[in-house]
Amino acid sequence: GAVVSQHPSWVICKSGTSVKIECRSLDFQATTMFWYRQFPKQSLMLMATSNEGSKATYEQGVEKDKFLINHASLTLSTLTVTSAHPEDSSFYICSAPQSWQGHGYTFGSGTRLTVV
Amino acid sequence: ELKVEQNPLFLSMQEGKNYTIYCNYSTTSDRLYWYRQDPGKSLESLFVLLSNGAVKQEGRLMASLDTKARLSTLHITAAVHDLSATYFCAGNAGGTSYGKLTFGQGTILTVHP
Repeated sequence: GAVVSQHPSWVICKSGTSVKIECRSLDFQATTMFWYRQFPKQSLMLMATSNEGSKATYEQGVEKDKFLINHASLTLSTLTVTSAHPEDSSFYICSAPQSWQGHGYTFGSGTRLTVV
Repeated sequence: ELKVEQNPLFLSMQEGKNYTIYCNYSTTSDRLYWYRQDPGKSLESLFVLLSNGAVKQEGRLMASLDTKARLSTLHITAAVHDLSATYFCAGNAGGTSYGKLTFGQGTILTVHP
């Protein structure tokens, strides 16, 4: 089945540094990738939608200069958290539509980011 | 804008009992999805409901969709401890089958012996 490989699974970084999270579609082409953030005991909130070869669409309230999204190829989308702060600590999940099925989404395994 | 509301948000069940989680959504959704999430893990797809009256079953879980009432249900039959997890429903709107998902708040299910 379709797999989205997300790395790293967890990362600890110092305040002020940047962290890059990668999502690769292993056996299909992901023209679209959704990026979600999930705080403890809360639901998933969409941050942005990336489309291969074009600029990402950010949801209201999400700082595009802080959360840089790149979708340079049909198999790779990246999220870079720039100048991370403790309040950015969260669980980040990517997801790609299973367009060949007509419905459904494949989710990455998630990245636990802790900023100290 | 699509809004999705689940209830209850917390559910403590005894093993062997039955219960239903409800998912109401505010506007037309092309699809209705149910997911399971274990602590520290990503989402596991349970069901996708494609049309009014759709019913899907897998083991002790059964999901249904009533598009007229804008309601989906996830019914748990004879709960077992392994079903303890957080369950999310999600819909997508905007006239496309592959649009962004809007998630409900999640239902934290705990099954006790």
